[in-house]
Amino acid sequence: AQKITQTQPGMFVQEKEAVTLDCTYDTSDPSYGLFWYKQPSSGEMIFLIYQGSYDQQNATEGRYSLNFQKARKSANLVISASQLGDSAMYFCAMREVNTNAGKSTFGDGTTLTVKP
Amino acid sequence: DGGITQSPKYLFRKEGQNVTLSCEQNLNHDAMYWYRQDPGQGLRLIYYSQIVNDFQKGDIAEGYSVSREKKESFPLTVTSAQKNPTAFYLCASSSEAAQGHGELFFGEGSRLTVL
Repeated sequence: AQKITQTQPGMFVQEKEAVTLDCTYDTSDPSYGLFWYKQPSSGEMIFLIYQGSYDQQNATEGRYSLNFQKARKSANLVISASQLGDSAMYFCAMREVNTNAGKSTFGDGTTLTVKP
Repeated sequence: DGGITQSPKYLFRKEGQNVTLSCEQNLNHDAMYWYRQDPGQGLRLIYYSQIVNDFQKGDIAEGYSVSREKKESFPLTVTSAQKNPTAFYLCASSSEAAQGHGELFFGEGSRLTVL
């Protein structure tokens, strides 16, 4: 079974609007971290936001917030006030502390296109 | 500035040749990783190392080899046994002090094309 599932291969959003990128995960490890990375066309991977499995509140970093629903095993990324520079591929990833030696597992990604 | 340096950025190889991709970090991180990315797809783990002189196979290790003789360095060799080596290769590191909750720091990647 896929550990990380991103069901939206591509998404479009109008500049200045908000967009939600979906991510569901599968683990039996009680201790894990969830991450979102951005990959522009240049290829570098940029860390955006982190949510720990024991965190009570949703993580926020500037225009990025993570909608963490633990019971649903969901960790959606919300980008507010989209900018043209947000056009990129976005990856959801998980690190399992106890059951996977802390290795990161990545989803297949969502390509976001911001329209002017 | 601290970071990860990968070289070369672009590499062309003839079939049957081994090539080595360099990855150096000055972040004092214990763990280092090599990922492969095919066009439009996610990252797949090739090899990882959590300590000097020790490394483990990831999900797609066949046709690849690594070494970890120094904390700062984790080179990847793509051997002639790798049947389809054309891909984008990303090296990453993380601080194990975060006990699995730290993010990965990535290099800029190496794009390998087999002619």
